[in-house]
Amino acid sequence: GQQLNQSPQSMFIQEGEDVSMNCTSSSIFNTWLWYKQDPGEGPVLLIALYKAGELTSNGRLTAQFGTTRKDSFLNISASIPSDVGIYFCAGLDSNYQLIWGAGTKLIIKP
Amino acid sequence: DVKVTQSSRYLVKRTGEKVFLECVQDMDHENMFWYRQDPGLGLRLIYFSYDVKMKEKGDIPEGYSVSREKKERFSLILESASTNQTSMYLCASSVTGAGNEKLFFGSGTQLSVL
Repeated sequence: GQQLNQSPQSMFIQEGEDVSMNCTSSSIFNTWLWYKQDPGEGPVLLIALYKAGELTSNGRLTAQFGTTRKDSFLNISASIPSDVGIYFCAGLDSNYQLIWGAGTKLIIKP
Repeated sequence: DVKVTQSSRYLVKRTGEKVFLECVQDMDHENMFWYRQDPGLGLRLIYFSYDVKMKEKGDIPEGYSVSREKKERFSLILESASTNQTSMYLCASSVTGAGNEKLFFGSGTQLSVL
């Protein structure tokens, strides 16, 4: 099945740094979602985006729905230890099926 | 809060065994899903169901079957487990209609097939 291109695959950062990750697709989506998976748990929805150009925040997290409708971005400001985990992007296609990225693993250097 | 409960966190089975993974949700959601998660591959959809006794194949249904006899319960069955089915299995549910893109996941079952 189709998969989104999510990058980077992993990130090693210092506590306090800002983080950026993105997802791109060859297809247009009408909805983009960002999920986070804590170690040992299932993914949890962070942010949902429904309109091209939309910018939505959830605490220190900000996500954007790209204007071409083929990409989305997630930024985390001033990272803290509990931000570690795997971040997944997902797009809702025209058949109302979710298409997933492979995930970005965030690791915070001690 | 929506709760999706998977019956086992860890499971070890032998090649050729029949394996049942159980999932129950308590929020009366119509839609239920089974994914497998492998490092570097993200989440891949195995099967999903939009209603009781209804099932649809996802992207990787081979070697799996499902059962949905009650609205709250969705079971994944490995008819004859193989080592390449060693993986993390995630169950999820969602409502129908507006908001159906918002999936609620269980904590996962890490299955090892020896």
